[in-house]
Amino acid sequence: GAVVSQHPSRVICKSGTSVKIECRSLDFQATTMFWYRQFPKKSLMLMATSNEGSKATYEQGVEKDKFLINHASLTLSTLTVTSAHPEDSSFYICSARDESGTSEIEQYFGPGTRLTVT
Amino acid sequence: GQNIDQPTEMTATEGAIVQINCTYQTSGFNGLFWYQQHAGEAPTFLSYNVLDGLEEKGRFSSFLSRSKGYSYLLLKELQMKDSASYLCAPMDSNYQLIWGAGTKLIIKP
Repeated sequence: GAVVSQHPSRVICKSGTSVKIECRSLDFQATTMFWYRQFPKKSLMLMATSNEGSKATYEQGVEKDKFLINHASLTLSTLTVTSAHPEDSSFYICSARDESGTSEIEQYFGPGTRLTVT
Repeated sequence: GQNIDQPTEMTATEGAIVQINCTYQTSGFNGLFWYQQHAGEAPTFLSYNVLDGLEEKGRFSSFLSRSKGYSYLLLKELQMKDSASYLCAPMDSNYQLIWGAGTKLIIKP
């Protein structure tokens, strides 16, 4: 099946610094990738939809200048949390849609990145 | 608005059967997914229903009634490793998944 990787799996950073999270589709090309955030015992919250070669579409309430998304190739999307604050500490998950196969609408999830801001 | 309703938590016994219900309201509908999520991990795909009826896949089955906005996930022969959260996620007219908080399933020996 389709595999999506994320790096790093865990990161601890100091308040005010920036952190980049990578999401890669390993065996398929993904025109569309999604970035989610999940707080403990809460539902996944879609932050933005990342489109290869164009600007990301952000959900209401998500600051695009704080959460920078770059989808420069069909296999890589990055999320950069700029000027991180402790309240940005969360589990960040990406997913990708394999639009070349028969199951075009299924999303494949990466393993997630646990961000802790101290 | 868009809404998902699932029980917050359920408890079942190893070897038994459990049914997790989900009702939903979405703007348009392009099928419904069930995902399993273990604590601290990302969701993994279990099933997808787009037509009414029952889809069986091994120990797991999923049912959909579009007219009632209702789905359930049926887990048979429960194993300890099935302890996890189960997420019902319908897809709206924009092909976006709508997420609820999920149902935490606790399996007891």
